[in-house]
Parts: sequence; C-alpha cells; structure tokens
Amino acid sequence: QVQLVQSGAEVKKPGSSVRVSCKASGGTFNGFAIGWVRQAPGQGLEWMGGIIPAFGTSNYAQRFQGRVTITADESTSTAYMELSGLGSEDTAVYYCARGRDWAYDILTGYSYYMDVWGKGTTVTVSS
Amino acid sequence: EILLTQSPGTLSLSPGERATLSCRASQSVSSSYLAWYQQKPGQAPRLLIYGASSRATGIPDRFSGSGSGTGFTLTISRLEPEDFAVYYCQQYGSSHTFGQGTKLEIK
Repeated sequence: QVQLVQSGAEVKKPGSSVRVSCKASGGTFNGFAIGWVRQAPGQGLEWMGGIIPAFGTSNYAQRFQGRVTITADESTSTAYMELSGLGSEDTAVYYCARGRDWAYDILTGYSYYMDVWGKGTTVTVSS
Repeated sequence: EILLTQSPGTLSLSPGERATLSCRASQSVSSSYLAWYQQKPGQAPRLLIYGASSRATGIPDRFSGSGSGTGFTLTISRLEPEDFAVYYCQQYGSSHTFGQGTKLEIK
C-alpha cells in the first residue's frame, strides 16, 4: 500500500520561500496525479494545485498563481511544492495527496479525487 | 469558481442515530465529480466517497453518498463513536474547491 511521506516542519521568515517534498513509499506515481492542499489553523481545506508526474504538467488555483510551483521527479517518486513570498497567512499544514482517476478537459483542466494523503507538513511563518 | 456550501455547520447527534450532511454547489458539478472526506483532529483527511456515490476502499457501508448537479448528500446510517469528526465535500470537475466543513459532534 503506497504511503506519501512528507518532509519535516519548517519555520520561515516573512518574504522567504518554502519547499515541501512528498515521496511515495511502497509504490510509485505511475498513472496518478499529485495534489497539494493546505489547512490554516482552525480552518478548512484549500486546494493549491497539482501535477501529473508522467507529463510534468501542473496547474494551480488562481489565488496562488505566480507564487506556487509544483514539480515532480518520477525517478524518485517525489513531488515538491514551493511557495514564495510567504506571509503570516501562509502559516498552515500543507498536505500532498495522490490524485486518482484523473482526466483532462481543455476548459476545466485536470480532475481527480484524492485517495491517499500524506501526514502533512507544518509551515510556520514568523519574524 | 464553483463555491460549495455545507450545512449544517455543526450537527449534534448520538451514536446509533442517522446523520445527513448537505453540500450545495453554486453551479452544476460536471460528471458528478464530487467527493467527501472525513477529518479527525491532528489527522489528514480521509477519502470516503468519490463520484458522488462510490465508496472508497475500506469505507464501511454505513457511509453513502447521493446527489447530482448542485445538490449532494452524505448519509451515515448508524453513527459509530469513531464517526464524530469534521466532514468536507470537494468538487473536482472544474478546478478543485472544498466546502467549509460540517462538524459532527456527540450530543
């Protein structure tokens, strides 16, 4: 059974960047998407973007466009999410998740549901 | 962007009772690309339902999903103690958005 193992907690200064990794253990990314979701303290879930590792194609939620970059290395079954221009509002737990049964529509982009989740990476932005 | 509104915000019930959670979309969700997740404190979300009504692997049959278009429902037929948690709906037909969550608490 595949597990997604995320990198450890980070503390960052305002204005800096953070890079979170997500490695598939016990399996690969073959045929799947990887999505990134964050959750601010006491708040709900927010989708940030995702990638189809087989194609290297990524897409992002509009509110994060220009600030987030999602990449993947199929050879190591590892995905990365980098968020720049950090502010206190970016303090959150960041999750990666495996996207299942993905499909592509030219109008609506990539669709997939997320069936396996990492345990999350806490990112704290503080001066 | 498709907005999802979940109701109620909090649902107080006792073990053994039936829970009905609602998720309404601001526009029709294409191909019933609607999922439900359960989240317990300090844990990652857990997929329950995808495609509006298909149970994920290992999910007990007391969980069921229904609906189409703009209205979707998650039903838990008989609540077990471990079912008390926060539940989120998510549409993945037009980008991805989550509802704000319904907290299911013990009465």
